[in-house]
Amino acid sequence: AQKVTQAQTEISVVEKEDVTLDCVYETRDTTYYLFWYKQPPSGELVFLIRRNSFDEQNEISGRYSWNFQKSTSSFNFTITASQVVDSAVYFCALSDQGGSEKLVFGKGTKLTVNP
Amino acid sequence: ETGVTQTPRHLVMGMTNKKSLKCEQHLGHNAMYWYKQSAKKPLELMFVYNFKEQTENNSVPSRFSPECPNSSHLFLHLHTLQPEDSALYLCASSPNRGANYGYTFGSGTRLTVV
Repeated sequence: AQKVTQAQTEISVVEKEDVTLDCVYETRDTTYYLFWYKQPPSGELVFLIRRNSFDEQNEISGRYSWNFQKSTSSFNFTITASQVVDSAVYFCALSDQGGSEKLVFGKGTKLTVNP
Repeated sequence: ETGVTQTPRHLVMGMTNKKSLKCEQHLGHNAMYWYKQSAKKPLELMFVYNFKEQTENNSVPSRFSPECPNSSHLFLHLHTLQPEDSALYLCASSPNRGANYGYTFGSGTRLTVV
């Protein structure tokens, strides 16, 4: 069965600090996809990144970076030089064949960036 | 404007009321989904529609009744709800059934049952 664990329930940092959000997943499939979504107070889940299981290269997009490590089944998300606008709940999600390709979400990590 | 639009944004209803949530997508997607997001719980998939046909019902109580008249519109009809049904209800869509390309979400309807 597939499962996504985000052990950090809440994180609070001061602006300009770097912060890493952890995500650990479980799947029996060799082909799967991992995602990160951001949910600001407005409620909408905003897509951030999609990564397939065959691509272990780390990715950087501006202040955001993602570290995918199959050996530890982790897909961690780092925000560099955090800003107040980064305050949101962040969800990690998994899609695999065994789960009928549905998105399975972790419980989310609430990030608060204080000025 | 987001590609997935949900109305209303907020809804307060009594336990004996009947109301409907509406979701509309302008992305040309063929699959649509209802999720429930309660406080301190993971996002729960409720229903899946693919080409207007319901393909999944995750043991959702019958007081929630979905309707998908076409691939662009999805409704969730509510009747005789319980206070524990208070939650954020999110609609999502994807090009086809399957999440490998991710879903596009709406902003949700914040439902309060009194």
